[in-house]
Amino acid sequence: EAGVTQFPSHSVIEKGQTVTLRCDPISGHDNLYWYRRVMGKEIKFLLHFVKESKQDESGMPNNRFLAERTGGTYSTLKVQPAELEDSGVYFCASSIGRINEKLFFGSGTQLSVL
Amino acid sequence: GQQLNQSPQSMFIQEGEDVSMNCTSSSIFNTWLWYKQDPGEGPVLLIALYKAGELTSNGRLTAQFGITRKDSFLNISASIPSDVGIYFCAGRSNDYKLSFGAGTTVTVRA
Repeated sequence: EAGVTQFPSHSVIEKGQTVTLRCDPISGHDNLYWYRRVMGKEIKFLLHFVKESKQDESGMPNNRFLAERTGGTYSTLKVQPAELEDSGVYFCASSIGRINEKLFFGSGTQLSVL
Repeated sequence: GQQLNQSPQSMFIQEGEDVSMNCTSSSIFNTWLWYKQDPGEGPVLLIALYKAGELTSNGRLTAQFGITRKDSFLNISASIPSDVGIYFCAGRSNDYKLSFGAGTTVTVRA
């Protein structure tokens, strides 16, 4: 069974550009989460989808971040325009149920904004 | 989310050593979790703790849920080279959200 896959694994962009990150959760997992880890800091919650609906987006930093999950399958996270402080590793995770300790994480996207 | 203080921030291990790391919080959690991230991979769940005072083992790993519900520790016994990586604690409160610590980076001592 395929795990959570994220694309790209690395992205280097200039300040002001747009970047779109993609996450394919494990098939059948209704719950999809985005997290971010800035270098050396904690892994921070960004948002939570249940199928195609945003259950909780309280962790989204600002309106430059837009997440979608059309059709309740894969999800995208777009940053537009990117700022220097957006650099970090963006993790996607999925789970079957809402009690999310049985989270399966992807390998992450390392985003560097120069 | 709530703030978790994880220590140490980093440690060097020698093969065969026992190592220990811990997490504390000013908030009470219902669940404590320990994850490990190998280089180039995402975090993987090692141990889940659901009850205050609970002591759980997974091979050479042992973790405890503190009596106050505000702390947890993870011990690795007889460490081996593949124990290197980043270890994260995480706590879950009533809102089901996970709060993570900043991680403990474990490196093999040359």
